[in-house]
Amino acid sequence: DAKTTQPPSMDCAEGRAANLPCNHSTISGNEYVYWYRQIHSQGPQYIIHGLKNNETNEMASLIITEDRKSSTLILPHATLRDTAVYYCIVSLTTDSWGKLQFGAGTQVVVTP
Amino acid sequence: NAGVTQTPKFRVLKTGQSMTLLCAQDMNHEYMYWYRQDPGMGLRLIHYSVGEGTTAKGEVPDGYNVSRLKKQNFLLGLESAAPSQTSVYFCASRDRGQTGELFFGEGSRLTVL
Repeated sequence: DAKTTQPPSMDCAEGRAANLPCNHSTISGNEYVYWYRQIHSQGPQYIIHGLKNNETNEMASLIITEDRKSSTLILPHATLRDTAVYYCIVSLTTDSWGKLQFGAGTQVVVTP
Repeated sequence: NAGVTQTPKFRVLKTGQSMTLLCAQDMNHEYMYWYRQDPGMGLRLIHYSVGEGTTAKGEVPDGYNVSRLKKQNFLLGLESAAPSQTSVYFCASRDRGQTGELFFGEGSRLTVL
């Protein structure tokens, strides 16, 4: 699976949009981009995933560049409860049995 | 709907003791996984299962054994615990298919003295 690069930490003001970058320059054509987050010591929580097109759900938006070498997770209106470690993961769609490889992620701190 | 339940949530062992962590899911998922997470690090895959009666090694399988006798349960065993196995263990499950959301349990914190 392709490796990802994320900044180790980011701060965001409450109520503002949080834009979390992820670099995956070695991604292959059949690899999806997934985002998960982990609040304090809880189990990770799925946020969103995509292949080529931009995706949006009730939690966030995922913007994938046209060459697919990087992506941005957007939390439109950050709240204090969004303080967490955010993981960007790329994974094969087939022959990977859903296995995900978690890196160190980005620690996001939302401040009042 | 309980989702993914792990027991026990906390355990302290002495070096050389054995124990089993139980993961139970009520979503009829085919795939199940055991991860460990050490302080300040991401999760690392220990073992996984793609169906009842099947198991496979992940990234860090040494010192652990697993069994999937029933579809809803995935057991992680430590035959002879070592201090290096002090960690937080997370179980996850997922439905079969090319893509899908992993559902995680709340974690089991294990300390080996």
